Amino acid sequence: DADVTQTPRNRITKTGKRIMLECSQTKGHDRMYWYRQDPGLGLRLIYYSFDVKDINKGEISDGYSVSRQAQAKFSLSLESAIPNQTALYFCATSGTATGELFFGEGSRLTVL
Amino acid sequence: RKEVEQDPGPFNVPEGATVAFNCTYSNSASQSFFWYRQDCRKEPKLLMSVYSSGNEDGRFTAQLNRASQYISLLIRDSKLSDSATYLCVVNYVGYSTLTFGKGTMLLVSP
Repeated sequence: DADVTQTPRNRITKTGKRIMLECSQTKGHDRMYWYRQDPGLGLRLIYYSFDVKDINKGEISDGYSVSRQAQAKFSLSLESAIPNQTALYFCATSGTATGELFFGEGSRLTVL
Repeated sequence: RKEVEQDPGPFNVPEGATVAFNCTYSNSASQSFFWYRQDCRKEPKLLMSVYSSGNEDGRFTAQLNRASQYISLLIRDSKLSDSATYLCVVNYVGYSTLTFGKGTMLLVSP
């Protein structure tokens, strides 16, 4: 089984719908991250959390929210999805600030 | 200002070729550097860290030039399986998260 699991792996939805992407990890890491990847734009950080009570905005947090339900779980929500949120979303974990990032397999979201 | 610049490519090379990528970063106060590899439609994975003295892992060599603020990745004897996007990653001093470049695509052909 993967150390970092994302669900759903693929989702097609309509504008205005609420969407939640979930991430769970078995690595025992405190640090968890949500990135989105768009062609030509690379990976951009949406939110990150360094422990259960810590939530931080990344460079593109507008339109997104997160919840850190437990050390192992970090979910990303789009309250009202819009087409320019169509992207590949990655969850990642790390044991330290500069340590290796371990990514989930990604969640491909399409907003029509 | 924290930026990581990479040539997007693609770099098209035949099997067996040697290819090198450069990556420039914007702040001399940078702590650590990495190369990640991302296969098409897959997640990024750490390829290697980059140390000040340079480091080698099999066919892969990473080097850091602090004076000119760039890091490089050299791949010798390219294999078809090396085809991927290579992401340059920098940890800037004072920032608690890593900064990713947009990646350089490598295509190795038979």
